[in-house]
Amino acid sequence: DVKVTQSSRYLVKRTGEKVFLECVQDMDHENMFWYRQDPGLGLRLIYFSYDVKMKEKGDIPEGYSVSREKKERFSLILESASTNQTSMYLCASSYASGDYEQYFGPGTRLTVT
Amino acid sequence: GENVEQHPSTLSVQEGDSAVIKCTYSDSASNYFPWYKQELGKRPQLIIDIRSNVGEKKDQRIAVTLNKTAKHFSLHITETQPEDSAVYFCAASKADRLAFGKGNQVVVIP
Repeated sequence: DVKVTQSSRYLVKRTGEKVFLECVQDMDHENMFWYRQDPGLGLRLIYFSYDVKMKEKGDIPEGYSVSREKKERFSLILESASTNQTSMYLCASSYASGDYEQYFGPGTRLTVT
Repeated sequence: GENVEQHPSTLSVQEGDSAVIKCTYSDSASNYFPWYKQELGKRPQLIIDIRSNVGEKKDQRIAVTLNKTAKHFSLHITETQPEDSAVYFCAASKADRLAFGKGNQVVVIP
């Protein structure tokens, strides 16, 4: 079974803090993704990575950056957290490009106060 | 980029009846169309997918149909059960990423 894990289920941070969300997958997948999920807006792609040290912007990259130093780990960074970044963050991985099944992590509920 | 829309946003069905959710997409080059199910408090999971060279695919009580000319695809759930209650997301992909719809809340009434 593919396992995708995320570092925290719930996180509360203050405005202006630097926030790190980490995701680890154990299936040697090439591609990893970060989404945010908000009620009524579905899943929106923030960033994705198709290889170590490679990254591509998704649909809503503003205010976020990512890091992929190892194949199994993909980090999402909020340089200076703002209240409008309060959301559920989902990480996913897939064997290859966009036309393969994506396996999701359990999500991190981030609240910025 | 790709734009995926789902209809209706909420669907209530009696247990045992069928449920149909329809999605439309904008990019005719999209060639992969998965459906994900997300139960309350859980992660999205793939339940069925279809590629552009196929018109229909079935897996037990779940089926997906694709109309490339009209650029829409639909999820059909027959003999609905309470455990089918969830949010269902459709998506479309042509290369390196998926574009998701906003999701449909399906409620199965016992």
